[in-house]
Amino acid sequence: DAGVIQSPRHEVTEMGQEVTLRCKPISGHDYLFWYRQTMMRGLELLIYFNNNVPIDDSGMPEDRFSAKMPNASFSTLKIQPSEPRDSAVYFCASRISGTRKQYFGPGTRLTVT
Amino acid sequence: GNSVTQMEGPVTLSEEAFLTINCTYTATGYPSLFWYVQYPGEGLQLLLKATKADDKGSNKGFEATYRKETTSFHLEKGSVQVSDSAVYFCALSEQEGFGNEKLTFGTGTRLTIIP
Repeated sequence: DAGVIQSPRHEVTEMGQEVTLRCKPISGHDYLFWYRQTMMRGLELLIYFNNNVPIDDSGMPEDRFSAKMPNASFSTLKIQPSEPRDSAVYFCASRISGTRKQYFGPGTRLTVT
Repeated sequence: GNSVTQMEGPVTLSEEAFLTINCTYTATGYPSLFWYVQYPGEGLQLLLKATKADDKGSNKGFEATYRKETTSFHLEKGSVQVSDSAVYFCALSEQEGFGNEKLTFGTGTRLTIIP
């Protein structure tokens, strides 16, 4: 299995630009999670989906952030407009019902200048 | 709400030293407990887990015992290697169906092993 796939691996953009991060979960997994990791705040859960439906988005920092899961094999996290304080590593993870083990992708390192 | 408190780092040890990274938790129900490891430039990987009180999770020489009476899940290894240098995260997850399907992570402990 290819594992959780994220793209791009690195993104550098200017303040005010739109950023879209992409995730392909492991086939058959019905839960998908988006996390943000920073030195200051550690690892934070932003949002998670079950069967493509957003279940808990209480971690989404503000309206500039949005996430979608149009089908079972693809999810996006969009930031519009981006700000320097959004610079972080964004991880996607997936798991299957009945297990608690989450499988993490390699992350996308976002730098907003 | 749920929370995980783990030992602040960074922790620096010599090769073959004994390792303990403390982790305590607060949960409303009967959580499962996990240790995840993050090697430089990579995502998190599950290291070990325990699903009920007195269970011991173990992997790659690491161990942790689920202690309900002390609400703890301390990570230990008898003899660390340079390749163990990484960031370690303690986490908990409520039972499925409790309406809380997410992992709650600690802040992470950076471990550096010097030869």
